[in-house]
Amino acid sequence: NAGVTQTPKFQVLKTGQSMTLQCAQDMNHEYMSWYRQDPGMGLRLIHYSVGAGITDQGEVPNGYNVSRSTTEDFPLRLLSAAPSQTSVYFCASSRTGVDTGELFFGEGSRLTVL
Amino acid sequence: AQSVTQPDIHITVSEGASLELRCNYSYGATPYLFWYVQSPGQGLQLLLKYFSGDTLVQGIKGFEAEFKRSQSSFNLRKPSVHWSDAAEYFCAVGDGFQKLVFGTGTRLLVSP
Repeated sequence: NAGVTQTPKFQVLKTGQSMTLQCAQDMNHEYMSWYRQDPGMGLRLIHYSVGAGITDQGEVPNGYNVSRSTTEDFPLRLLSAAPSQTSVYFCASSRTGVDTGELFFGEGSRLTVL
Repeated sequence: AQSVTQPDIHITVSEGASLELRCNYSYGATPYLFWYVQSPGQGLQLLLKYFSGDTLVQGIKGFEAEFKRSQSSFNLRKPSVHWSDAAEYFCAVGDGFQKLVFGTGTRLLVSP
């Protein structure tokens, strides 16, 4: 009963390096999203997808890329990491349609950019 | 634009005492409202949700929340807090249940 799986759980990068945070879900959810969590700021939406091949920007998309080639996977790419991207990142998924009502979250990926 | 205010950063409650966490939202239409809980090192888990019907909603773990349109509030309550309730609580609003705007969270500490 895996749910939403994020890897890696911890990562340290140097400024300018690139990396990909992986997110996979086994619930056949159409909707997937990435949030970042920073102290005193709650969770902010980075990017989201309503199905394979469809992505859109959230509140704080700059510096991040996403793609959705399959229903199961929604990777988040940092092309050139900056210290401002130090954060905890959460992937979340849900079904679409009326009254489905719940986002399922992964356990988070803590990223530090030096 | 949608926004959520959780005015209390930290709250300490004695075990067995009642709890109320405040949430005020700003939204133009009828909002979808949520409370999520985050235990240390974990992702968020849905406690309860409101988007129509009875304004008093029941959730898991004995929590409830009341939607008050006139006050733009959706406060979370529990009659008797247990030590295992210590966590961070997030209120969220959306025009559906997906692209949610979260508050900054309230950390609940439970004293013996």
